[in-house]
Amino acid sequence: DTEVTQTPKHLVMGMTNKKSLKCEQHMGHRAMYWYKQKAKKPPELMFVYSYEKLSINESVPSRFSPECPNSSLLNLHLHALQPEDSALYLCASSHWPQGADTGELFFGEGSRLTVL
Amino acid sequence: SQQGEEDPQALSIQEGENATMNCSYKTSINNLQWYRQNSGRGLVHLILIRSNEREKHSGRLRVTLDTSKKSSSLLITASRAADTASYFCATEARGNAGGTSYGKLTFGQGTILTVHP
Repeated sequence: DTEVTQTPKHLVMGMTNKKSLKCEQHMGHRAMYWYKQKAKKPPELMFVYSYEKLSINESVPSRFSPECPNSSLLNLHLHALQPEDSALYLCASSHWPQGADTGELFFGEGSRLTVL
Repeated sequence: SQQGEEDPQALSIQEGENATMNCSYKTSINNLQWYRQNSGRGLVHLILIRSNEREKHSGRLRVTLDTSKKSSSLLITASRAADTASYFCATEARGNAGGTSYGKLTFGQGTILTVHP
């Protein structure tokens, strides 16, 4: 069982809606990530948070707005999305790198988003 | 473009056979990781090999890394129907001054493995 919990598991929204995806971990990890995965494609990094601060934004459109209210929670706020944004959104966490590398990422089960 | 490219794209074998998947990448790395994903679900970490390591084992998994060829392979021995999944390699590129790239993993295209009972 994953120790990273994502809600909701499924979300259907219209292009004018505002919704949020939520992610929670209690492993004491100080790095949290959002990845996007289209069908039959690999995950693509969207955002990295370290110690609740945004450290990497992979040129993601502003209709996706991440938020890290505390060390256990990560949100992804969605507004004015397009049908092509339909995908599996994966949250992950890891220890923050003490040396040269980060080590393994722990993924949640994902939130499957459909934009109509 | 994706850092890691994998082959084959799909692999179909019988239970008990071995499965080998290959991954190539383009830039210097701190480590290479393999993940498994069951259909439509989250990714599960399988094994990590660092750039100064050549081979690593974990249960039925054996990973090799050849940094001169910028390639890695994942061998699953004595496969089971439950091994049916997509397998992705992921690289953590070396950051500035040889340090970390702060968790930025780049995933390969993946290999879809089907193990028939």
